[in-house]
Amino acid sequence: AQSVTQPDIHITVSEGASLELRCNYSYGATPYLFWYVQSPGQGLQLLLKYFSGDTLVQGIKGFEAEFKRSQSSFNLRKPSVHWSDAAEYFCAVGDSGGGADGLTFGKGTHLIIQP
Amino acid sequence: DTAVSQTPKYLVTQMGNDKSIKCEQNLGHDTMYWYKQDSKKFLKIMFSYNNKELIINETVPNRFSPKSPDKAHLNLHINSLELGDSAVYFCASSPQGAGTQYFGPGTRLTVL
Repeated sequence: AQSVTQPDIHITVSEGASLELRCNYSYGATPYLFWYVQSPGQGLQLLLKYFSGDTLVQGIKGFEAEFKRSQSSFNLRKPSVHWSDAAEYFCAVGDSGGGADGLTFGKGTHLIIQP
Repeated sequence: DTAVSQTPKYLVTQMGNDKSIKCEQNLGHDTMYWYKQDSKKFLKIMFSYNNKELIINETVPNRFSPKSPDKAHLNLHINSLELGDSAVYFCASSPQGAGTQYFGPGTRLTVL
């Protein structure tokens, strides 16, 4: 069964500092990988996704993520965070076999931005 | 235009009642889903529907039943509500087999 681990429950970063959120997955083949962001009281917004090809993917709001097959990781990065980036971040894995299974989510990382 | 919409946004009800949450997508997607987000913000798939056919049904109590009148709608009916059903419920949709899911704004259900 597929699974996703986000080892950091909370992360505090100063505004303007760089950010890296960790995500490790377990899946039998090359998965579809996603990062979603949830602001307080809001729904989930897709930041970026990896299906195949270039292992460094660019997303919205200046985020990027790198797929590392050897480490089963898909870490999210941003060079300089803004106060508006404070939110809950979810890594998810999806079925790359073309099926209609739901996404399997990690437990999320709560990002706090210090002024 | 809102891609995936849900109504209501908030739902407060008493134990034992029956309630429904509606979901509509205008993206032309083939597959729709319901997720439950618990108080610890953990998201778990409940159902998915592909061309009006139930694809998966995770270990969800049979008090929960998805109903899809057409490809653009997937409603969630809940019978005999229990305290533990309090959560945020998200609807999502995706093109068939494409993986990327687009989420609605969520419905916060509170059972008293």
